[in-house]
Amino acid sequence: AQKVTQAQTEISVVEKEDVTLDCVYETRDTTYYLFWYKQPPSGELVFLIRRNSFDEQNEISGRYSWNFQKSTSSFNFTITASQVVDSAVYFCALSEARGNQFYFGTGTSLTVIP
Amino acid sequence: DGGITQSPKYLFRKEGQNVTLSCEQNLNHDAMYWYRQDPGQGLRLIYYSQIVNDFQKGDIAEGYSVSREKKESFPLTVTSAQKNPTAFYLCASSMSPWERVSEQYFGPGTRLTVT
Repeated sequence: AQKVTQAQTEISVVEKEDVTLDCVYETRDTTYYLFWYKQPPSGELVFLIRRNSFDEQNEISGRYSWNFQKSTSSFNFTITASQVVDSAVYFCALSEARGNQFYFGTGTSLTVIP
Repeated sequence: DGGITQSPKYLFRKEGQNVTLSCEQNLNHDAMYWYRQDPGQGLRLIYYSQIVNDFQKGDIAEGYSVSREKKESFPLTVTSAQKNPTAFYLCASSMSPWERVSEQYFGPGTRLTVT
């Protein structure tokens, strides 16, 4: 079964628009960890954020913000005032309590049009 | 600078040949991972290793082999038994998940093309 679902395959926005990338996860563990990564055209995945299941506080880092809602099993990522440099593929990932394995979503390809 | 290096960036091989992809890290991480990325399929785990001289199969280990003789190195061999080897291969490392589930750090990847 798919543990992490990123239903949006591709999104295009015009520069300075806000955009939200959705991530829905599935786990039976009470302790788990969620992550977001950015993959620019160069290919290397860049770590953005880590969140554990006991911390539901939303987080903001500059133009980036994350909304974690256990009630809906979602961990959505919003980019405010998007820029061309935000164009990339974004992956959401889940790691369960034992931490042996990350489960990645299929990614959302974001294109920011100047 | 600490990080993960993978070489080469692009690799071309003829069908039927084994090929080894290198991965080195100087982050002092115990755990290392190999992923395969195909268009539209996200990342799939091939093998992972949590300590030296130990490694475990991931979801798609068939046709691949690894070794972990040193903490810093986790080479991946794509054997001729792998039916569709053309893909983008990513290596990652993290602190030991036994201590703390932490983020994985990724190398720049190797794009393998087999013809």
